[in-house]
This record gives sequence, C-alpha cells and structure tokens, in this order.
Amino acid sequence: NAGVTQTPKFRILKIGQSMTLQCAQDMNHNYMYWYRQDPGMGLKLIYYSVGAGITDKGEVPNGYNVSRSTTEDFPLRLELAAPSQTSVYFCASSFDAISNQPQHFGDGTRLSIL
Amino acid sequence: GNSVTQMEGPVTLSEEAFLTINCTYTATGYPSLFWYVQYPGEGLQLLLKATKADDKGSNKGFEATYRKETTSFHLEKGSVQVSDSAVYFCALRGLGGSNYKLTFGKGTLLTVNP
Repeated sequence: NAGVTQTPKFRILKIGQSMTLQCAQDMNHNYMYWYRQDPGMGLKLIYYSVGAGITDKGEVPNGYNVSRSTTEDFPLRLELAAPSQTSVYFCASSFDAISNQPQHFGDGTRLSIL
Repeated sequence: GNSVTQMEGPVTLSEEAFLTINCTYTATGYPSLFWYVQYPGEGLQLLLKATKADDKGSNKGFEATYRKETTSFHLEKGSVQVSDSAVYFCALRGLGGSNYKLTFGKGTLLTVNP
C-alpha cells in the first residue's frame, strides 16, 4: 500500500549543483504532478503529466525539468540550483482529470540550497 | 482564473473547542472543493470533498458544506482533539481546460492544546 513515494526526504545542495527528485506511484495513475510548498504560500504547480511521454508546464516551471518515461515514475530535475529553489517539494498523482477525483500526495522532499 | 482564500492562522484552541476555518473561492462554473490536512513532517492527505452545490463532505468529525450562493466551503468540527493539530488546506479543482490542476489556499495552522 505504498501510494506515492518520494526520495530523498531531505537534501542540502550548493548553489549551481544539480539533482533529481524521484517520485514513483504504484496506483496506475495516469496524471502526475510536482508542487512546491513555500511557507505561508500554499502549493504551486511546477509541472504535470497526463501520461507516459507527455508533460506540460504548471505555474512555476522555470529552473526545473521533468520527464515521464513510464506510468509509474515522474522525476523532477534541478539543473543549476539557486537559493530561490529552497522549498518543500511534493509529488502527487490522480487517476484522471475529472474534477471530483482527489490527488494523492507523497510525503515530500525538503530541499535547501546554500 | 481560479483562486481560494482561507482564513489566516495560526489558530490555537483548547481541546473540545469548536473549530471553524473559513474558505471562499472564485471559479467559473461548478468546481469540486476539497479540504486537505498536512500533519507535521508528512504530505497532504485528503480530508473531505464536495462535488456539487449543497453537498456536505464529512470525515473524522470534520464537515464542510459547498455553498454556491456564498462561494464558500468552511471547515467545521464540533470538538477538536490534540491529534487534530495540523495545517489545513482548502482547494478547488476546476472544470474544462484547467481541471488537471488543484488550486490551493495558503493553509491554516491549527494547534490544539490539552
């Protein structure tokens, strides 16, 4: 009963470094999402995917890249880490985009850029 | 575009007190409305939802009624417990072209003291 699994849980990066945040779901969901959560700001959508091979930008995509080679996995890549990318990152998934279907969230990755 | 406004916290209550967290929204048509809860160190979990006007969502003693006339979805609980301490997010999922996306409020931190 894993649901949405994110790794790592915590990471500290230096400015300019790169890293990939991993996300996997075992619910056979078509839709997957990446959000960032900043204090007092709610969640903002970075990228989303409607199925393997298809991705699109959300509200705040700059500085990030994604890929979706399989239904299960949706990694988020930071190429040149900047202090403004210090945040908590959440991956989510849903079966489809029908409005009454909730999204299921992972436990998050807390990322600090120093 | 869609937006969600929820009451700012933090909210501090004593155990067994009555809880209300206000949430109002702006959206076209009839979006679906959700309350998510985030316990410390964890991801967001769906608490309850309502998909049409006058629907009442309920779970774990929490309730919220979808009021189209006042564009509101206030969260209530008659008697809070220490274990209810968490951040609560109101969210909506729209229709048509934007229905892949959840729009979140900024979150309300609830602390319940024994």
